[in-house]
Amino acid sequence: QKEVEQNSGPLSVPEGAIASLNCTYSDRGSQSFFWYRQYSGKSPELIMFIYSNGDKEDGRFTAQLNKASQYVSLLIRDSQPSDSATYLCAVRSNFGNEKLTFGTGTRLTIIP
Amino acid sequence: DVKVTQSSRYLVKRTGEKVFLECVQDMDHENMFWYRQDPGLGLRLIYFSYDVKMKEKGDIPEGYSVSREKKERFSLILESASTNQTSMYLCASRTTGGTEAFFGQGTRLTVV
Repeated sequence: QKEVEQNSGPLSVPEGAIASLNCTYSDRGSQSFFWYRQYSGKSPELIMFIYSNGDKEDGRFTAQLNKASQYVSLLIRDSQPSDSATYLCAVRSNFGNEKLTFGTGTRLTIIP
Repeated sequence: DVKVTQSSRYLVKRTGEKVFLECVQDMDHENMFWYRQDPGLGLRLIYFSYDVKMKEKGDIPEGYSVSREKKERFSLILESASTNQTSMYLCASRTTGGTEAFFGQGTRLTVV
């Protein structure tokens, strides 16, 4: 079982709709969870992070964490064509361990 | 403006050559990482370093070594390049306990 799993997609969503991206992880000791966005030909950049169970909102983005289910998700509201990218879920095991493990990424396409 | 700089954007090497990939960060970060990114496999951690002269193996260290003689510089070494090491290599850095890992622009290595 991979440490961090994501559906590779591609995921196609109409402009203005909600895009939902999912990630599961295997290490129950994981403490920190991150979503990175990577445009084609570019390097990943951080868009959201979450440490506690529940929801965290930042503009059109909401990260959701459920540690009991070992599940983290990213919702993008009012999707825009500029949101078309690959979204990478990343997990850090525990405080004091700096290893950052990424999933394979989900390719998202917003259809105008 | 934070910066992680990789020495080459594109590199072509021959099978059996010793290859050095260099990464420099100007943010005084303790932690530096080398990943490779392949289609369908996401970012896979090769090695990371949490201090000068300290290193830890990631998930796919075979065929690679690293060097960190100075805090700002982290080198990835391919002892004897092989065609299956053709990939995009990404360097990243992050402060200990920090949120965001900052990535370099990537080095596209082709081994022929």
